[in-house]
Amino acid sequence: QKEVEQNSGPLSVPEGAIASLNCTYSDRGSQSFFWYRQYSGKSPELIMFIYSNGDKEDGRFTAQLNKASQYVSLLIRDSQPSDSATYLCAVFPNRDDKIIFGKGTRLHILP
Amino acid sequence: DAGITQSPRYKITETGRQVTLMCHQTWSHSYMFWYRQDLGHGLRLIYYSAAADITDKGEVPDGYVVSRSKTENFPLTLESATRSQTSVYFCASCQQCARGQYFGPGTRLTVT
Repeated sequence: QKEVEQNSGPLSVPEGAIASLNCTYSDRGSQSFFWYRQYSGKSPELIMFIYSNGDKEDGRFTAQLNKASQYVSLLIRDSQPSDSATYLCAVFPNRDDKIIFGKGTRLHILP
Repeated sequence: DAGITQSPRYKITETGRQVTLMCHQTWSHSYMFWYRQDLGHGLRLIYYSAAADITDKGEVPDGYVVSRSKTENFPLTLESATRSQTSVYFCASCQQCARGQYFGPGTRLTVT
């Protein structure tokens, strides 16, 4: 079983709609969870991190964590063409100081 | 505020040559990481360092060497480059890694 799993996409969402990105992880002892955005040809950029069950909101972005189901999601409200990117889910298992990355979901916002 | 920088940004080299990729951070972060990113594989950890003079292997360390004599620098050396090492290389750093890592701009390396 892969440690962090994401659907590779592409996920196509109309402009103005809500984009929903999902991720599952295998290590139940994981401490914190991240969403990175990576534009084509650029480096990953940390946009959200969450460590408690429930929702965390930052502007148009909401991260959701359900530790019982080992599930993390990212909601992007009022999607814009500039949100088109690959979104990497990542997990801090707290076994050492490494972060485990998923392979990413490509998101395409349709104008 | 330079943050984390990598040099060179682009490099073309020949098979068998030694290549060193540089990573420099101005945040005094204890932890530094080297990843490679290839289509279909995502980010793969090559080496990481918890502090100066402390390094450890990641998922794909073969063919690479690292050192960390100063906290701010973490060079990655390909001792004898092979075509399979053609990739985009990212350096990252963190202090409280449970709050995330921060990436440099990357180096695109082509081995011919």
